[in-house]
Amino acid sequence: EAQVTQNPRYLITVTGKKLTVTCSQNMNHEYMSWYRQDPGLGLRQIYYSMNVEVTDKGDVPEGYKVSRKEKRNFPLILESPSPNQTSLYFCASSFLTGTYNEQFFGPGTRLTVL
Amino acid sequence: AQTVTQSQPEMSVQEAETVTLSCTYDTSENNYYLFWYKQPPSRQMILVIRQEAYKQQNATENRFSVNFQKAAKSFSLKISDSQLGDTAMYFCAFMKGTYKYIFGTGTRLKVLA
Repeated sequence: EAQVTQNPRYLITVTGKKLTVTCSQNMNHEYMSWYRQDPGLGLRQIYYSMNVEVTDKGDVPEGYKVSRKEKRNFPLILESPSPNQTSLYFCASSFLTGTYNEQFFGPGTRLTVL
Repeated sequence: AQTVTQSQPEMSVQEAETVTLSCTYDTSENNYYLFWYKQPPSRQMILVIRQEAYKQQNATENRFSVNFQKAAKSFSLKISDSQLGDTAMYFCAFMKGTYKYIFGTGTRLKVLA
């Protein structure tokens, strides 16, 4: 089944404890992206990647890191999480070729930073 | 910088009726894409419909259609024959050629039986 998977789905952690949220897709997509969703703010793009070893900042990159060492994986790293990073996080992927290709979203990761 | 505005935080509609969700955006780009996404209580993001800015014809997908007014920078979503399963949060989104996405703050739609 074609899908985007995220792990973990739920995470409660404490301030300053490094964490990684994994994202993997099995559709051979070039493009991958991370978003955070907060009430009243909609979805905001954190980072995106057009291909392996190519990443770029979205609108809210502060406090986050990403890497794209393999085409299928795009982990989101919080080196020192803070309470304001408590949010619902989505990973998405799509092809780049063609006029436009639909983004496929993962199921989301609910992160709470205490 | 591009912005996307959804001015209706919440809306409701009777089953089988028609409802229109508003979206305006601001950009200096000429080539871009616009989307409506649906997020039901399951939180899954589902693409409802998309519109390429260079196309004058409004996109349609079954009961969903858009009214795209490029000069006015308006992109509204019309849902005809509303169904209970249409109850969800709806997000308008903008994307330019560099694949940077901007989402609106969402409209929570409730379909009433």
